[in-house]
Amino acid sequence: ETGVTQSPTHLIKTRGQQVTLRCSSQSGHNTVSWYQQALGQGPQFIFQYYREEENGRGNFPPRFSGLQFPNYSSELNVNALELDDSALYLCASSLGLGGGYEQYFGPGTRLTVT
Amino acid sequence: GENVEQHPSTLSVQEGDSAVIKCTYSDSASNYFPWYKQELGKRPQLIIDIRSNVGEKKDQRIAVTLNKTAKHFSLHITETQPEDSAVYFCAASGSFKAAGNKLTFGGGTRVLVKP
Repeated sequence: ETGVTQSPTHLIKTRGQQVTLRCSSQSGHNTVSWYQQALGQGPQFIFQYYREEENGRGNFPPRFSGLQFPNYSSELNVNALELDDSALYLCASSLGLGGGYEQYFGPGTRLTVT
Repeated sequence: GENVEQHPSTLSVQEGDSAVIKCTYSDSASNYFPWYKQELGKRPQLIIDIRSNVGEKKDQRIAVTLNKTAKHFSLHITETQPEDSAVYFCAASGSFKAAGNKLTFGGGTRVLVKP
């Protein structure tokens, strides 16, 4: 078991609503990355946080936002939900930036937008 | 940005045979290449990785090769077993601190090992 946890496990929301997903990084890890995995596809990078600062963002609109807290846990917020936002949301933590640090994934939050 | 292509999308092998999955990447600055195994409903699990200063790495039945000139890398699974059945993803990332270590994933290969 990797130690990265996410909550909730599953979530059903209606189009137009807002959602907050949470991630607790593995002990000692200061970097958290968020990925969206649509059904049958590889994970797509949303953004990354390093020591409470955003450090890189993928091709996602501003309604996807995040936070990292002093204990390095993190939140992903999505406003104005759309049907295409239905996916598995994965967070991954690592020891730091660069150098090919391994990323350890959490179990994911399955979001369904109706 | 980085683009990673993965082939084949599905692979069916007989138990005991070998399986090979190939990936190509576009960004010559990428120099960390992990492989993840994802079982149905589970999180991606790192099974092996390789860095650009190494051409080949092996861990029991799993090996990865990297050709930086051609910008491609491959996963080799020997003596396949039914528990190897899963979706496998290759990924690439840069090693420079300013670029972070975001992973760009391939589209995945669904491997089915038939008993």
